[in-house]
Amino acid sequence: AQSVTQLGSHVSVSEGALVLLRCNYSSSVPPYLFWYVQYPNQGLQLLLKYTSAATLVKGINGFEAEFKKSETSFHLTKPSAHMSDAAEYFCAVSAPGDTGFQKLVFGTGTRLLVSP
Amino acid sequence: EADIYQTPRYLVIGTGKKITLECSQTMGHDKMYWYQQDPGMELHLIHYSYGVNSTEKGDLSSESTVSRIRTEHFPLTLESARPSHTSQYLCASRGDTSYEQYFGPGTRLTVT
Repeated sequence: AQSVTQLGSHVSVSEGALVLLRCNYSSSVPPYLFWYVQYPNQGLQLLLKYTSAATLVKGINGFEAEFKKSETSFHLTKPSAHMSDAAEYFCAVSAPGDTGFQKLVFGTGTRLLVSP
Repeated sequence: EADIYQTPRYLVIGTGKKITLECSQTMGHDKMYWYQQDPGMELHLIHYSYGVNSTEKGDLSSESTVSRIRTEHFPLTLESARPSHTSQYLCASRGDTSYEQYFGPGTRLTVT
């Protein structure tokens, strides 16, 4: 069974600082991995996805993530935080090949706080 | 930009009332999903559908029911709302050629 662990329910950074949100996954097969962002009172928006192509994935809003199989990690980074990045971030894993029913298993989320 | 809509966005209702949360998508996606999300918590899958006339229960037991009569429409119904149903409900859809799901804006339900 697939599972996701997000370390740190809250991460605080200053504007302009590096953002690092951690995600570790557990999967018995090569996974598909996703990062979603949720702004207050809104749904989830896809930031980026890993689907077994390049291990370094670039997404929207300057975010990127690197798939590291040896560490079972898919950490999300951004070189310079903006105030508008303050939101909840969810990592999710899906099992490939399950084209009939794809289940996304979500982590518990990390709230990113950005201070001026 | 994904086109998936949910109404109402906010709903406050008394115990025992019947409610239907609407979800529609204009992308022609066959697969649709309902998630329940409590504040500060992860999403839990409560219902999904492969296509028209297909509905299945998800991982989290829910007293709600769903229907899928049209491809674009996947409403969720609570026959008798209770305070324990207070939560945010998120609808999502997925196409056949990709694994990412597209989410609607959510309905925040409060049962008093």
